[in-house]
Amino acid sequence: KAGVTQTPRYLIKTRGQQVTLSCSPISGHRSVSWYQQTPGQGLQFLFEYFSETQRNKGNFPGRFSGRQFSNSRSEMNVSTLELGDSALYLCASSLPAVPNTGELFFGEGSRLTVL
Amino acid sequence: SQQGEEDPQALSIQEGENATMNCSYKTSINNLQWYRQNSGRGLVHLILIRSNEREKHSGRLRVTLDTSKKSSSLLITASRAADTASYFCATGDSGGGADGLTFGKGTHLIIQP
Repeated sequence: KAGVTQTPRYLIKTRGQQVTLSCSPISGHRSVSWYQQTPGQGLQFLFEYFSETQRNKGNFPGRFSGRQFSNSRSEMNVSTLELGDSALYLCASSLPAVPNTGELFFGEGSRLTVL
Repeated sequence: SQQGEEDPQALSIQEGENATMNCSYKTSINNLQWYRQNSGRGLVHLILIRSNEREKHSGRLRVTLDTSKKSSSLLITASRAADTASYFCATGDSGGGADGLTFGKGTHLIIQP
């Protein structure tokens, strides 16, 4: 069974630009979560999607958005990039219908550098 | 906000020794999980312990949970060089999961050959 796939793995953007990151979950997993990891703040929850609906959202500004498609694939978008958005963005999929009750399967992440 | 807090922040031991990491959290949980992350890569799930469990084993891993003290420990026995990684605890709250899993800042474990 293929794991969680994230693309692109690395990208460099400049301030003010926008970026879209993609995540393909494990087949059969309907929940997809996104996390931001930085050296200063650690791992922070961005949002979670289940069956195309945003089920939970972390404490991030509206510049961070996401969506999920009918095949469970998910994208997240960051608009008007700031230097502080430089981070490793991790996507995770899980099986349970109830949030936070099962293990998360993480992708390798998308490392975003904002110059 | 960070709920899980690991202790110590960094740990260096000799290969073959046991490594113990601790995690404290603040609110009621329905489960606590431990993850491993090799440098700059994705996290790998190690073990999940539910709030009604006190101890769980998986291979060389032993996890304990004390809900009265809001703490957990992860013991890795007979450590190997390949165990060098960062280890995170993550809690799933019992209040509906609005914040997703909450991760601590991790313990960086170095196994000296």
